[in-house]
Amino acid sequence: DTAVSQTPKYLVTQMGNDKSIKCEQNLGHDTMYWYKQDSKKFLKIMFSYNNKELIINETVPNRFSPKSPDKAHLNLHINSLELGDSAVYFCASSPLGGLEFFGPGTRLTVL
Amino acid sequence: DAKTTQPPSMDCAEGRAANLPCNHSTISGNEYVYWYRQIHSQGPQYIIHGLKNNETNEMASLIITEDRKSSTLILPHATLRDTAVYYCIVSPPYNTDKLIFGTGTRLQVFP
Repeated sequence: DTAVSQTPKYLVTQMGNDKSIKCEQNLGHDTMYWYKQDSKKFLKIMFSYNNKELIINETVPNRFSPKSPDKAHLNLHINSLELGDSAVYFCASSPLGGLEFFGPGTRLTVL
Repeated sequence: DAKTTQPPSMDCAEGRAANLPCNHSTISGNEYVYWYRQIHSQGPQYIIHGLKNNETNEMASLIITEDRKSSTLILPHATLRDTAVYYCIVSPPYNTDKLIFGTGTRLQVFP
């Protein structure tokens, strides 16, 4: 199936740990994104990559580091996890300037 | 900040038309109106978009006022599976920038 996929779907971890969320799209899109949806359901952009290059880096702590090994992947690595990082993280992709397609989300719970 | 205003919630009887309004009084001439929805625990899903003409696809219709300061998303025959949060977003086309999601309208379709 053509889609945006994320792994894992659920991630439960302790404060202070380092974790990664993987995202892959097989749609041939040039641009990939990470969004964060908090407990109040606000959905906000974190990062945007176009052809492996960082375009947008909103005000996100530098504990968050996106990595794009190739155009089809944009992984999110988080260092020293904090309670406030608990949220649902969505990966998305789009053709250049086109419509965004979202992944199913990764629910991160920091204990 | 989101450039759109939507009612926080609406109800609709199954089989009836759901009309979801959106105000975007500061929309720029080159900005499109996009509608996404987010069903519980899933990623946002694209529905429809338009510039100034009314648009229709297999999911919905989009009615944009002549002055483009507001629009209405119409789900002609709402089903229980249409229960979701609906987001109205304005954004220029061919924009590699992020989508700015507001708080959306929570549509509850009841039997």
